Amino acid sequence: EVQLVQSGAEVNKPGESLEISCKGSGYNFSTYWIGWVRQMPGKGLEWMGIIYGGDSDTRYSPSFQGQVTISADKSISTAYLRWSSLKASDTAIYYCARHSLATVTADTFAIWGQGTLVTVSS
Amino acid sequence: DIVMTQSPDSLAVSLGERATINCRSSQSVLYNANSKNYLAWFQQKPGQPPKLLIHWASTRESGVPDRFSGSGSGTDFTLTISSLQAEDVAVYYCQQYYSIPYSFGPGTKVDI
Repeated sequence: EVQLVQSGAEVNKPGESLEISCKGSGYNFSTYWIGWVRQMPGKGLEWMGIIYGGDSDTRYSPSFQGQVTISADKSISTAYLRWSSLKASDTAIYYCARHSLATVTADTFAIWGQGTLVTVSS
Repeated sequence: DIVMTQSPDSLAVSLGERATINCRSSQSVLYNANSKNYLAWFQQKPGQPPKLLIHWASTRESGVPDRFSGSGSGTDFTLTISSLQAEDVAVYYCQQYYSIPYSFGPGTKVDI
C-alpha cells in the first residue's frame, strides 16, 4: 500500500526552529515528486512547493520561497519541511502529498499524508 | 502566477439533487501540445486530508463514484455531483498544475 506518514503535532514558540517529516512507503521514493500544502485554521489549501525524491530538485511557490526549506533524504524515503524562525502566522496544518505519476513535474497530488498540526504560540 | 477562483462560496443541495461548482483560472491551463487541461478537483471532509477526485479536468480517480464528473476547458471548469449523497458534504477545491505555483481555488462548501 502506498502511503505517506507524517510526524506528530508540534507546539513551538516564536523564533524557534522546527522540522517536520513525511515518510513514504510502498513505492519508489526516488521517482516521484512530493510536496507540501499549508492549511491555516479554517482556511483553504496553499501550495508551498515540491521536491523530486531522486535528486532533491526543488521548486517553491514565491509566497514560501525563503520562508521555509524543503528537503529530502532518499535513503530513508523521507521529505522534510523546515523553518529557521517560526512566527505565530505559521500556525497551520501542513500536509505532504505525492504526485500521481512517476517523474512527471506538471502533475497533481494523488496521495496525501495525514497532516501535521504546527502551533506557534508564546 | 495563475489565480484560481470558484463559485459559489457555498451551496446547500437536497439529497438526490444536483450540485454544480464552477472554477475559473486567470489564464488558460490547456496545454495545446497534448490537448490536456491541467486541472484537478479535490474533496476535503472535516478533519481529513484532501482527496483527489478528478484530474485532467474530467478523468475520475479510481474508486470515485460516477456521480462526480468534471468538465470544461481552457479557463472555465465545472464539477458536478449528479445526485448528492449525505457523504458528499465537504469542501471542494479546484487546482491548476499547469504552471508553478500549482495554485488552489478558495474552495466551495457543499451542505445538505
